[in-house]
Amino acid sequence: NAGVTQTPKFQVLKTGQSMTLQCAQDMNHEYMSWYRQDPGMGLRLIHYSVGAGITDQGEVPNGYNVSRSTTEDFPLRLLSAAPSQTSVYFCASSYSGIGGRGYNEQFFGPGTRLTVL
Amino acid sequence: GNSVTQMEGPVTLSEEAFLTINCTYTATGYPSLFWYVQYPGEGLQLLLKATKADDKGSNKGFEATYRKETTSFHLEKGSVQVSDSAVYFCALSALTGGGNKLTFGTGTQLKVEL
Repeated sequence: NAGVTQTPKFQVLKTGQSMTLQCAQDMNHEYMSWYRQDPGMGLRLIHYSVGAGITDQGEVPNGYNVSRSTTEDFPLRLLSAAPSQTSVYFCASSYSGIGGRGYNEQFFGPGTRLTVL
Repeated sequence: GNSVTQMEGPVTLSEEAFLTINCTYTATGYPSLFWYVQYPGEGLQLLLKATKADDKGSNKGFEATYRKETTSFHLEKGSVQVSDSAVYFCALSALTGGGNKLTFGTGTQLKVEL
């Protein structure tokens, strides 16, 4: 199993440009999510999905869109990049758990380092 | 809302020293608690977890006990190695709709020197 894969590893954008960060998992996990990691702030949840066709907002969703057309893929779109979106982005996946109990291990991808000039 | 507070780093220790990284939480209901580790240039890996009060999670010589009375989940290791140098994140997952949403602390960087 490749686990959770993310592309690209590094990206530099100019303000106003759009792009899509790719995330894929081969573990048949129902739950997928996107986090951003900023110095001194830990990881913050952007968007998540509990299954194909179902997405919802996390803590910091503004400026980002997601869709989940398949179980395997969960791309994150930046609509109009801003310097405040300079960050490291992590995708994660897990089984959703019996009765919604949140104790299933989340598997993280290696991250995408994004710089917006 | 849910929140996690962990001690600020960086923490610098000599090899074979005792490690404690403090973590306290605020949550409604009965959260599950986790420690994740991030090695340089990598994503996060689950280190250990505890799902109910008084549970002790352990892995690779690290331990943490879920203390409901003090809302704490402190990470300990009796003898650290240079290879333990990494950033450690405390996190919780609460029983709300939406499955596995994690709330993270800000992370504690550990540097172990010879």
